[in-house]
Amino acid sequence: DADVTQTPRNRITKTGKRIMLECSQTKGHDRMYWYRQDPGLGLRLIYYSFDVKDINKGEISDGYSVSRQAQAKFSLSLESAIPNQTALYFCATSDPLAGTTDTQYFGPGTRLTVL
Amino acid sequence: EDKVVQSPLSLVVHEGDTVTLNCSYEVTNFRSLLWYKQEKKAPTFLFMLTSSGIEKKSGRLSSILDKKELFSILNITATQTGDSAVYLCAVANTNAGKSTFGDGTTLTVKP
Repeated sequence: DADVTQTPRNRITKTGKRIMLECSQTKGHDRMYWYRQDPGLGLRLIYYSFDVKDINKGEISDGYSVSRQAQAKFSLSLESAIPNQTALYFCATSDPLAGTTDTQYFGPGTRLTVL
Repeated sequence: EDKVVQSPLSLVVHEGDTVTLNCSYEVTNFRSLLWYKQEKKAPTFLFMLTSSGIEKKSGRLSSILDKKELFSILNITATQTGDSAVYLCAVANTNAGKSTFGDGTTLTVKP
């Protein structure tokens, strides 16, 4: 079974709808991240969380919100989706106590299309 | 603001060729530089580099970091079609505890 899972894997929605993307991990890592990836571009950080009570904005947090329900769960919400939020979304985890502390482990991604 | 620039943006080679991918960075409080491989799906970890001049090697892939000149290279020797992917470089910042990614290099290896 995958260590980092994301649901849904694909989603098509309409402008103005509220969308939630979910991420779960069984790696036992404290740190979790949400990124978006647009064609031809790298990963841009939306939000990150170092533990359940610590949530931080990334470089492109406008239009998004997150919830860290437990160590293992980190959800990303689009309160009112717009077409330029069409992208591939990745969740990732990392372990600050590991030897390779900055290594991130990625989920399979959610492809979101906003019409 | 932290910045990571990768070059070239794309590269097409034939099997057996050797390629060098470049990553330059500007970051406050550098902690590490990481390389990932992305093949139509989630990025997977290749290397983490923290010290200058020490080569990390895994099979046909190797990488080295120059902290004075602020760059890293990823070498792939005897390329195979399975090496076709996007290679992402990221730099971790000590203070922020997060990574900044470059836009990636798309490598295509033709038979």
